[in-house]
Amino acid sequence: RKEVEQDPGPFNVPEGATVAFNCTYSNSASQSFFWYRQDCRKEPKLLMSVYSSGNEDGRFTAQLNRASQYISLLIRDSKLSDSATYLCVVSNQGGKLIFGQGTELSVKP
Amino acid sequence: DGGITQSPKYLFRKEGQNVTLSCEQNLNHDAMYWYRQDPGQGLRLIYYSQIVNDFQKGDIAEGYSVSREKKESFPLTVTSAQKNPTAFYLCASNTPGQGLQYFGPGTRLTVT
Repeated sequence: RKEVEQDPGPFNVPEGATVAFNCTYSNSASQSFFWYRQDCRKEPKLLMSVYSSGNEDGRFTAQLNRASQYISLLIRDSKLSDSATYLCVVSNQGGKLIFGQGTELSVKP
Repeated sequence: DGGITQSPKYLFRKEGQNVTLSCEQNLNHDAMYWYRQDPGQGLRLIYYSQIVNDFQKGDIAEGYSVSREKKESFPLTVTSAQKNPTAFYLCASNTPGQGLQYFGPGTRLTVT
């Protein structure tokens, strides 16, 4: 079983749609959680950290369920510019990051 | 501007040649990392260093070597022993203990 698993993609959605990404992790001792965004042939960039209480940044909402070892990212009112690959990332006790394989999102006009 | 630089952006080599990828950061971070990304896959850790003159193997270190003689620099050598060297290589850095890492723009290596 992979340490971090994400929904297989790609997700193809129309502009304005709401899209949800799911991620599970296997190490219950994981300490920090992130969503990164990666554009085609570019480096990953932090989209948002994920906190136990859930957090929101504009159209983006992240949730963490430690009991279920589950992380989610919700994008509301999707834009063409949201098209990218979204990486679920988990940090273990040693500070190493474990990356999911990514879920590709394509937002169409 | 503070950041991480990697050079070159694209690199082409013949099979059997060693090649060194550059990574420099001016963020004053103690920890630096090298990852490899293959198409449709997540990042996999090759080597990491949490302090100057010290480094540890990651999950896929075979066929690679690194050095950390200066805080700012963490070069990666892809040796001829690496069986499938063609990939996108990403360098990152952070303050040890902080989960968040900052990435360089990557080097796309093609070996033929």
